[in-house]
Amino acid sequence: KQEVTQIPAALSVPEGENLVLNCSFTDSAIYNLQWFRQDPGKGLTSLLLIQSSQREQTSGRLNASLDKSSGRSTLYIAASQPGDSATYLCAVAGNFGNEKLTFGTGTRLTIIP
Amino acid sequence: NAGVTQTPKFQVLKTGQSMTLQCAQDMNHEYMSWYRQDPGMGLRLIHYSVGAGITDQGEVPNGYNVSRSTTEDFPLRLLSAAPSQTSVYFCASSYWNEQFFGPGTRLTVL
Repeated sequence: KQEVTQIPAALSVPEGENLVLNCSFTDSAIYNLQWFRQDPGKGLTSLLLIQSSQREQTSGRLNASLDKSSGRSTLYIAASQPGDSATYLCAVAGNFGNEKLTFGTGTRLTIIP
Repeated sequence: NAGVTQTPKFQVLKTGQSMTLQCAQDMNHEYMSWYRQDPGMGLRLIHYSVGAGITDQGEVPNGYNVSRSTTEDFPLRLLSAAPSQTSVYFCASSYWNEQFFGPGTRLTVL
């Protein structure tokens, strides 16, 4: 059974710093990995999706990497801003397609102005 | 496009009552799924569908029923609500890759 872990559960950093969020998974046979953002009381917003054949994806100040063999992904946020404060969730899709995701419990990020 | 829509946004039920959480998408996605989110446990898959007429169980299916008569709609039914079903419910849809989530339904069972 796939298990996804995100450490730390919470992180506070001063505005302007670069930071890295970590995600690890136990079964390397994945279809893709997706990073989401969730604001309090809201739904999930997709940030980046990495296919199993890819090593990284970038969108603006965000960069996500994937190392399937070691079961790890990182989300790098450059020049953090207070608006980046949210919970960040990592989810992996099993090897047969994208209809089922296994989620980590998330990292709650606070950017201190 | 409205994307993925869910109704209602909030609901309070008494133990034993039944209700249906509605989910609709206008992106012509084949895949749809239901998740519940509980504090400290992340999102867990309840049921999913890979197309009209096809459904299957996820990680936590007990107490929930689904059906998929059209590509657009994927309702989730609670036949006899229990306090353990107090949670936030999210519906999602996808084609091959990126999953899109609805805004959620916050359900409280007293």
